[in-house]
Amino acid sequence: DSGVTQTPKHLITATGQRVTLRCSPRSGDLSVYWYQQSLDQGLQFLIQYYNGEERAKGNILERFSAQQFPDLHSELNLSSLELGDSALYFCASTRSERDYEQYFGPGTRLTVT
Amino acid sequence: DAKTTQPNSMESNEEEPVHLPCNHSTISGTDYIHWYRQLPSQGPEYVIHGLTSNVNNRMASLAIAEDRKSSTLILHRATLRDAAVYYCILRDLHMNYGGSQGNLIFGKGTKLSVKP
Repeated sequence: DSGVTQTPKHLITATGQRVTLRCSPRSGDLSVYWYQQSLDQGLQFLIQYYNGEERAKGNILERFSAQQFPDLHSELNLSSLELGDSALYFCASTRSERDYEQYFGPGTRLTVT
Repeated sequence: DAKTTQPNSMESNEEEPVHLPCNHSTISGTDYIHWYRQLPSQGPEYVIHGLTSNVNNRMASLAIAEDRKSSTLILHRATLRDAAVYYCILRDLHMNYGGSQGNLIFGKGTKLSVKP
């Protein structure tokens, strides 16, 4: 158990819908990273927050957005969902941005039908 | 981040050592070499990292070539639980003001199978 929690574990929704994925970092960790894992693209970095501020962006679509709240949990919002958005979404956390080790959560499996 | 090259798959027998290679010929002087693994149906898990010297921890050893253009992750005695996809990742942890290089860039990794 990494100490990072993600909810829900599974999510099934239809095309065009909007969903919110939630991540709670390890206690004391200030930085949260979001990754998407699909069969064709592998694991890809989406976005990073540190203490409430956006710090880095990767291959995140404009239909996707995220935020980190004052209690340090983070939410990833996915809108106008397409079939290709079906994937595993992982979040990871670190205490600082210079930490070598990222702790990953168990992931949320999103299925868009 | 610089690119890494790993074999797509490897097989090992239980209780035997496993050497997982990684080539990173374009590595820069400030790139750290990280290894993560992903067990089936789980999130990635940190294994080990190093810069220039060989490193050991409770999970594995990391052997880094003198020119740093390649490295090898060594599992000393493979168990069935070590069956996973192993990712070799280069990270430059030097950060510019207002930015971060902390995100991981995953390649396809090496799928390790362990036979009983």
